[in-house]
Amino acid sequence: DQQVKQNSPSLSVQEGRISILNCDYTNSMFDYFLWYKKYPAEGPTFLISISSIKDKNEDGRFTVFLNKSAKHLSLHIVPSQPGDSAVYFCAGLEKSRGSQGNLIFGKGTKLSVKP
Amino acid sequence: KAGVTQTPRYLIKTRGQQVTLSCSPISGHRSVSWYQQTPGQGLQFLFEYFSETQRNKGNFPGRFSGRQFSNSRSEMNVSTLELGDSALYLCASSLGAIGYSNQPQHFGDGTRLSIL
Repeated sequence: DQQVKQNSPSLSVQEGRISILNCDYTNSMFDYFLWYKKYPAEGPTFLISISSIKDKNEDGRFTVFLNKSAKHLSLHIVPSQPGDSAVYFCAGLEKSRGSQGNLIFGKGTKLSVKP
Repeated sequence: KAGVTQTPRYLIKTRGQQVTLSCSPISGHRSVSWYQQTPGQGLQFLFEYFSETQRNKGNFPGRFSGRQFSNSRSEMNVSTLELGDSALYLCASSLGAIGYSNQPQHFGDGTRLSIL
């Protein structure tokens, strides 16, 4: 049972355009979401996060949008750069479960930004 | 500023053995979290420790355990190793606990564990 789904395994975008990476979740206990980026042969890098009490969080070129009613979040990268080419993971955290709270990852979306 | 250090980098064990992996966080960071990465399952969360207390926990069997010391260094132990435990084990540190601050997590390079 995949609680966090990234339905697009890959995405190709032209440099300078917007990249939109999508993530759907089924677990209504998630109250905090995170996005990570991973280059080949490297560990993940934290990108941006959002609490469920917000619907948007922005950090430079990266913006995460959360639609709680649709159980959907998206990561927007504007403008996209070739260095953004990586695998992007979203994750949901069950904060309210306290010490038993799980952090569950999607399978990732591979973004390719073409020069 | 030194990054997150994981030791050892590579480890080969046989089924039934146990193993202890170590993670030294960035100085001043109080949260350490552990992850398992495999080609089939992707990235999976094991647990998080903050100020020596387990804060969050993934769906792994009790063979997987961890602890955090007063200097924030953390160890992860896996007992009765199985072939399926072969994976890259990553740890990450951050100033605040996951979900309670916007402080970024910083990942180490991981320990590659192979079970024969």
